[in-house]
Amino acid sequence: DIQMTQSPSSLSASVGDRVTITCRASQSISRNLNWYQQKSGEAPKLLIYGASTLQGGVSSRFSGSESGTDFTLTISSLQPEDFATYYCQQSHTTPRTFGQGTKLEIK
Amino acid sequence: EVQLVESGGGLVQPGGSLRLSCAASGFSFSNYEMNWVRQAPGKGLEWISSISESGNPIYYADSVKGRFTISRDNAKSSLSLQIISPRPEDTAVYYCARAGYRFGWDYFDSWGQGTLVTVSS
Repeated sequence: DIQMTQSPSSLSASVGDRVTITCRASQSISRNLNWYQQKSGEAPKLLIYGASTLQGGVSSRFSGSESGTDFTLTISSLQPEDFATYYCQQSHTTPRTFGQGTKLEIK
Repeated sequence: EVQLVESGGGLVQPGGSLRLSCAASGFSFSNYEMNWVRQAPGKGLEWISSISESGNPIYYADSVKGRFTISRDNAKSSLSLQIISPRPEDTAVYYCARAGYRFGWDYFDSWGQGTLVTVSS
């Protein structure tokens, strides 16, 4: 199975900050990498697919990039509604594995 | 509007059985692969099963293989997950999720609100 390792596991930041979350795949997954946001008590929400394509309706504050087996989610200027847990997920092979999550908290 | 509504969760004893359902609306259900993803309390997301548009192929995570059975009824726009001999570690919120496809990428683009399964004696 492909292992997805996210870092950091938690992060404190302030409104207006630029934040970066990293996800590393244990083997090549091409650009088959998706990012989800999950707020407390809610279902996950798709943010980005194909490593860098923004899902419709998602703020352009969110962006994704890829370099080999390393993937990055960047939030350009944190807004209060962005404090949540973020997950990466590979869709290259089955089982479709998720990273362990990054909890973004208010500083 | 795409809607996925899970039901059937609750308290079940180890070794018992439970059937979860997911009612879909707002899209052509028979045109989409469907999935179950679970989340143990305070933990991350775990994909557990997928079923293709036609019902074949079907895939399972090793953690549930042989104990869980996924199925679908395209005429009723319904997805199911039969849980046999659950274990305490199966305690989780179970989400149904639609697999979307675009430009060669696939992803989970719609999720239900989840249904909680608690396995305990």
